[in-house]
Amino acid sequence: NAGVTQTPKFQVLKTGQSMTLQCAQDMNHEYMSWYRQDPGMGLRLIHYSVGAGITDQGEVPNGYNVSRSTTEDFPLRLLSAAPSQTSVYFCASSTWTGLGTDTQYFGPGTRLTVL
Amino acid sequence: SQQGEEDPQALSIQEGENATMNCSYKTSINNLQWYRQNSGRGLVHLILIRSNEREKHSGRLRVTLDTSKKSSSLLITASRAADTASYFCATGGANSKLTFGKGITLSVRP
Repeated sequence: NAGVTQTPKFQVLKTGQSMTLQCAQDMNHEYMSWYRQDPGMGLRLIHYSVGAGITDQGEVPNGYNVSRSTTEDFPLRLLSAAPSQTSVYFCASSTWTGLGTDTQYFGPGTRLTVL
Repeated sequence: SQQGEEDPQALSIQEGENATMNCSYKTSINNLQWYRQNSGRGLVHLILIRSNEREKHSGRLRVTLDTSKKSSSLLITASRAADTASYFCATGGANSKLTFGKGITLSVRP
């Protein structure tokens, strides 16, 4: 099992550019989520999904879109990059029982810089 | 806003000593989880404790949960230099969101 994979590992964008951060998992997990990590802020939830076709907003969703067309993939789209979106982005997945979140398996992260 | 708040923010101990980290939260939870993050890496799950449990062990880790005080503690016994990392608590509620605290930086001196 590869677990949770994220691409790219590093990315530099100019303000206004758009891009997609890829996330894939091979554990057949229903629950997937995106977090951003900034110094001194811990991890903040951007968007999450409890299954294919179902997505919802987290704590900091503005400027980001997600879709979940398959169980395996959960891409995060930056619509028009801003310097405030410079961060490290983590994707995570877990089983989902409907009774709350379970043990999360994290990807290695994508370090994004917006100039 | 973040649910869990860890205390202290930073902790420095000698190898072989025990490290105790605390987490407090505000609203009711289904479970509380602890994660470790080594510098520049992703988070690794350590322990999940459910709201109807009071204590769990995993190797050198011991986690307690007091739902009446809305707090949890993570104890690492006989610490090693390799335990140097950031530690996060995360609370899972019925709203399907997992909310992380800002983390504790643990340094274990050889």
